[in-house]
Amino acid sequence: DQQVKQNSPSLSVQEGRISILNCDYTNSMFDYFLWYKKYPAEGPTFLISISSIKDKNEDGRFTVFLNKSAKHLSLHIVPSQPGDSAVYFCAASSLTGKLIFGQGTTLQVKP
Amino acid sequence: SAVISQKPSRDICQRGTSLTIQCQVDSQVTMMFWYRQQPGQSLTLIATANQGSEATYESGFVIDKFPISRPNLTFSTLTVSNMSPEDSSIYLCSTNLPPGLPMAQETQYFGPGTRLLVL
Repeated sequence: DQQVKQNSPSLSVQEGRISILNCDYTNSMFDYFLWYKKYPAEGPTFLISISSIKDKNEDGRFTVFLNKSAKHLSLHIVPSQPGDSAVYFCAASSLTGKLIFGQGTTLQVKP
Repeated sequence: SAVISQKPSRDICQRGTSLTIQCQVDSQVTMMFWYRQQPGQSLTLIATANQGSEATYESGFVIDKFPISRPNLTFSTLTVSNMSPEDSSIYLCSTNLPPGLPMAQETQYFGPGTRLLVL
């Protein structure tokens, strides 16, 4: 049973445009959501997070939106840069502190 | 963020042997986690390691196969025992921020990973 789902395995955007990565979850007990970026041969790097009491969190070019009623979150990257090309994982946690990860979306930003 | 290192960075092992992976954190942390990322898959939590207590294993993972040590607040090891080709994965350790910082318990930071290939 996949509690966190990223239904798009890949996404390709032009440099300078917006990248939108999506994530859905099923467990209403999740109260904290995170996005990680992963390059090949490296560990995941924490990008941005959002608490379930908020619907938006912004950090520079990265904004995460949370729609609790739809159990959906998204990561917006504006403007996209070639260096953003990586695999992006969303993750969710509850009071246990355990992270549940989605399958990942490979983002390619074309120059 | 915490600085996390892992040894070895990669290894090629024969089936039936065991490999111990080390994880070192540059600050004292309460919880350390071990994950596995099989080829083309997402990250799956193997176990949570707290200093001074037995590790807590997730469904599908057992101590005999993945024994874990946590001798102090900055170090942990994961052993992959009696390896088979199905154990070929990236093994990652992670930790929360040191206590007292905002969202310390919710955000995990990862080491660079250990790439294991079992022949």
